[in-house]
Amino acid sequence: QMQLQESGPGLVKPSETLSLTCSVSGDSSNTYYWSWLRQPPGKGLEWVGYIDYRGSTNYNPSFKSRVTISLHTSNKQFSLSLGSVTAADTAIYYCARLVGYCSTGICVDAFDIWGQGTMVTVSS
Amino acid sequence: SYELTQPPSVSVSPGQTARITCSGDGLAKLYGYWYQQKSGQAPVLVIYKDTERPSGIPERFSGSTSGTTVTLTISGVQAEDEADYYCQSADNNGSPLFGGGTKLTVL
Repeated sequence: QMQLQESGPGLVKPSETLSLTCSVSGDSSNTYYWSWLRQPPGKGLEWVGYIDYRGSTNYNPSFKSRVTISLHTSNKQFSLSLGSVTAADTAIYYCARLVGYCSTGICVDAFDIWGQGTMVTVSS
Repeated sequence: SYELTQPPSVSVSPGQTARITCSGDGLAKLYGYWYQQKSGQAPVLVIYKDTERPSGIPERFSGSTSGTTVTLTISGVQAEDEADYYCQSADNNGSPLFGGGTKLTVL
């Protein structure tokens, strides 16, 4: 059974870069897509971006200029880097596996396995 | 623009049926998904491809679709089903898109 686990600093100063890592265990396959999402306190879910097993990325336009997702296949990890953070970036950050379901040539991705989430606070 | 609209809250007594709707123009041709998020926990996928249930999800959870609306139905609601429920599909660029979430209260 695949499991995902987020790790990284719980406190980041404004204007600095938020860096998180997701470690994948329990499955040796390397053909999945991997994603980051976040949830501000008391609010809904927001997709940040994803990376596929070849290293190609797709980011939410809301973050596009500040975000980088990288893949580290050798140690079964992928990471999130979000620059120039403000208090609005305070949230629980989740990593998740992405799977695509297609019908008549149109595919919609779903998040079928999630990490437990890690709370990141942006404050001086 | 693509948006997914859910009611903010739904209340139901134990043993009754809860129905949570999610509306959006894209749902007419795109799959909808449902996630359950209990307090302090990560979301869990409970319905995929509009109507399919992942292994391990109780049979009382079901999904349906009609036009631009997908519906999550929980039959014989139990106290443990109290949670936030989010629908998800895609926007016009094919990127993941979530509804605002519905808080299910079991009275």
